[in-house]
Amino acid sequence: DVKVTQSSRYLVKRTGEKVFLECVQDMDHENMFWYRQDPGLGLRLIYFSYDVKMKEKGDIPEGYSVSREKKERFSLILESASTNQTSMYLCASSSTNQPQHFGDGTRLSIL
Amino acid sequence: AQTVTQSQPEMSVQEAETVTLSCTYDTSENNYYLFWYKQPPSRQMILVIRQEAYKQQNATENRFSVNFQKAAKSFSLKISDSQLGDTAMYFCAFRAYNTDKLIFGTGTRLQVFP
Repeated sequence: DVKVTQSSRYLVKRTGEKVFLECVQDMDHENMFWYRQDPGLGLRLIYFSYDVKMKEKGDIPEGYSVSREKKERFSLILESASTNQTSMYLCASSSTNQPQHFGDGTRLSIL
Repeated sequence: AQTVTQSQPEMSVQEAETVTLSCTYDTSENNYYLFWYKQPPSRQMILVIRQEAYKQQNATENRFSVNFQKAAKSFSLKISDSQLGDTAMYFCAFRAYNTDKLIFGTGTRLQVFP
């Protein structure tokens, strides 16, 4: 079975902090994705990566950056956290043209 | 740009009954995939069923089936013999053939009552 592991289920940070959310997959997938999930808005794509060191902006990249130095790991970075970034963050991975597999999510609160 | 619309924010059904969740989408693409994902409370999002647009036959996975109407751009999910474990958020999603990016609807929260 595919395993997508997000480093934290719950995280509390303060405004202005630099925040790192980590995601690791164990199936050698080329593609990795970061979404945020908000009530009434569904899942919105922040960034995705289709190869090591390759990234592409999603629909809502403002205030975020990503890093993919190794194939199995995809990090989401909040450069200077703000309260409007309080949300559930979901990581996913896939092989090309195959369904995405999701992690358990990280519920991030910015105080 | 593609959009996915789920017009039912919440639904409920009694155990053993049948329920249908609605999804419509908008696209100018001819080749694409459609998906239903399930997110149980505090648990991982999992794929329920997928449909390839070029296939006319509706996809079925055990108690889950879809009604895919390409001309109407409609993709509803039918859950037969509902079980308590079907309680979850259900998301409809679209993927164009030449990309791996998914576009999600806003979700339908389904509650199954005993």
